[in-house]
Amino acid sequence: EVQLLESGGGLVQPGGSLRLSCAASGFTFSNYAMAWVRQAPGKGLEWVSAICGSGRCTYYADSVKGRFTISRDNSKNSMYVQMNSLRVEDTAIYYCAKGGGDLPSFFDYWGQGTPVIVSS
Amino acid sequence: AIRMTQSPSSFSASTGDRVTITCRASQRISSYLAWYQQKPGRAPKLLIYAASTLQSGVPSRFSGSGSGTDFTLTISYLQSEDFATYYCQQYYSYPPLTFGGGTKVEIK
Repeated sequence: EVQLLESGGGLVQPGGSLRLSCAASGFTFSNYAMAWVRQAPGKGLEWVSAICGSGRCTYYADSVKGRFTISRDNSKNSMYVQMNSLRVEDTAIYYCAKGGGDLPSFFDYWGQGTPVIVSS
Repeated sequence: AIRMTQSPSSFSASTGDRVTITCRASQRISSYLAWYQQKPGRAPKLLIYAASTLQSGVPSRFSGSGSGTDFTLTISYLQSEDFATYYCQQYYSYPPLTFGGGTKVEIK
């Protein structure tokens, strides 16, 4: 059974940093792209970042480029996102999602989400 | 970036109804389209990928069609558990991967 478990969310001041983690199980982690997708309160889904199975390719939304860094450790079946220079508009539930293949595509499994609140 | 536009943004329906949700891409995306269902307080769930391929475990009353720029999600016989918000997503061209704005299906 595929399981994705996010952690690391919380309350942070504008300009602060946070590191989210996603622990995966139930599939061959290195064979699949992974991604972060967020949802601001009462809003729709917004793709944030993705990383291919090998970890050699990474992709970012313009809204987070230069501030967020996605990474993965295939030996630990884990994915991360380091979020720096956080803004109020980064407030959202952050979901970890498994891709349908080695490269970013659709997302066939999702974690339960971890909340990030950026506020002074 | 490819823009995905869903219509309607919300509507009311009754159990047993046949409902159709439309998603339009701002440029051709072949069949690189997925549909998701999201219920309040829950993570999204994949329903359909490659425009018309039903994800394992998803009831057959859900179906998808279309290619190019125009796509539809159809629920043939609406059940109580189907009241939710539905999103389309293109994966033809990235970054960015893009979602539609969502369609909320409410109980009439």
